[in-house]
Amino acid sequence: AQRVTQPEKLLSVFKGAPVELKCNYSYSGSPELFWYVQYSRQRLQLLLRHISRESIKGFTADLNKGETSFHLKKPFAQEEDSAMYYCALEDGATNKLIFGTGTLLAVQP
Amino acid sequence: EPEVTQTPSHQVTQMGQEVILRCVPISNHLYFYWYRQILGQKVEFLVSFYNNEISEKSEIFDDQFSVERPDGSNFTLKIRSTKLEDSAMYFCASSEGLAFSTDTQYFGPGTRLTVL
Repeated sequence: AQRVTQPEKLLSVFKGAPVELKCNYSYSGSPELFWYVQYSRQRLQLLLRHISRESIKGFTADLNKGETSFHLKKPFAQEEDSAMYYCALEDGATNKLIFGTGTLLAVQP
Repeated sequence: EPEVTQTPSHQVTQMGQEVILRCVPISNHLYFYWYRQILGQKVEFLVSFYNNEISEKSEIFDDQFSVERPDGSNFTLKIRSTKLEDSAMYFCASSEGLAFSTDTQYFGPGTRLTVL
């Protein structure tokens, strides 16, 4: 079954601390994975996707097929990073996105 | 930068009434989607639409739901005879429909539907 798991509902860190938002997936094929972010009262927006191998706003995510993970990392959290983060998997046959339940990142001053 | 827009931002309706949620996708995009998020739950795929027809739908998308592209810009989701459990945030998304590449879906701000 296709599934995305984000085990943490809430992650609270202090400004300047490293951040790792966990994402595991289940997919029978070559996955296309994304991180979307939703800041307070704003729309879901793409943060990064694994195929582009970019670093956006200091965030990176590496696809680990052995561990079926796509964890989101940032070495030094900023207060403006506080938001809801969703990991998503694209079903290659249908283009639909399968979302995890999301992790709320709270960066304390 | 072009964005997906949705109206209304909040819709309150009585159980059993019909509602139409409207979306204007990004103008050169070819794929359109509806997702919903019940409070406290994950974002769930409802339906995708391409070339004026449904290309994929989830098991949630039963006969109560329908989608339409009535003109060159709007994309609508109609819910007939709403139920209490239809209360959710409904997101529209669109994508370019690129071939041989991973397409990015761009989301609208959502319509919060409250069924009383």
